[in-house]
Amino acid sequence: QVQLVQSGAEVKKPGASVKVSCKASGYTFTSYYMHWVRQAPGQGLEWMGIINPSGGSTSYAQKFQGRVTMTRDTSTSTVYMELSSLRSEDTAVYYCASGNSGIDYWGQGTLVTVSS
Amino acid sequence: QSALTQPASVSGSPGQSITISCTGTSSDVGGYNYVSWYQQHPGKAPKLMIYEVSNRPSGVSNRFSGSKSGNTASLTISGLQAEDEADYYCSSYTSSSWVFGGGTKLTVL
Repeated sequence: QVQLVQSGAEVKKPGASVKVSCKASGYTFTSYYMHWVRQAPGQGLEWMGIINPSGGSTSYAQKFQGRVTMTRDTSTSTVYMELSSLRSEDTAVYYCASGNSGIDYWGQGTLVTVSS
Repeated sequence: QSALTQPASVSGSPGQSITISCTGTSSDVGGYNYVSWYQQHPGKAPKLMIYEVSNRPSGVSNRFSGSKSGNTASLTISGLQAEDEADYYCSSYTSSSWVFGGGTKLTVL
């Protein structure tokens, strides 16, 4: 069955960077785009960007341009999301999620807490 | 990339039908047939309920249906059940990116 397993919770200080991983299994890794979506406490879903695992091309939401980098490693079926210059407003659960016309499968989420 | 507009809350009694609207622009909802709907229970990851405006993934109850008219998409849930109480989000493709709605809290009375 399809599984997206994310790395564990992180606590970071303002100004630092965080890198979250997402390992896919149960399907052909290069067949589905991978999205990153975040959800601040008590808030709605926010789309951050997408990576094509096949060629590595990316597209980021304007809000995160210059601060987010998405990469992939096809040898381990893993995608990564790195967010830099963290601020308190970046405290959220970060999800990786795969799909093409809709987001079919979601990881379990990674809580990133930004606090001094 | 402004968020799509959804009502903050809707409610209905068991057995009734409700509709949640999702309003965008001609650059997103109105311009593409890539509107999706997600259900999220507290503390859980979202679940895909509708994709490409009106298609249901395997395993999703046929009580859930989707439609679109112009720049507004809609999710209808018929025969409301207690387990339908959750947050619902719409999403649309828009020129190399995606955007979510603000979310709607569905309360089953």
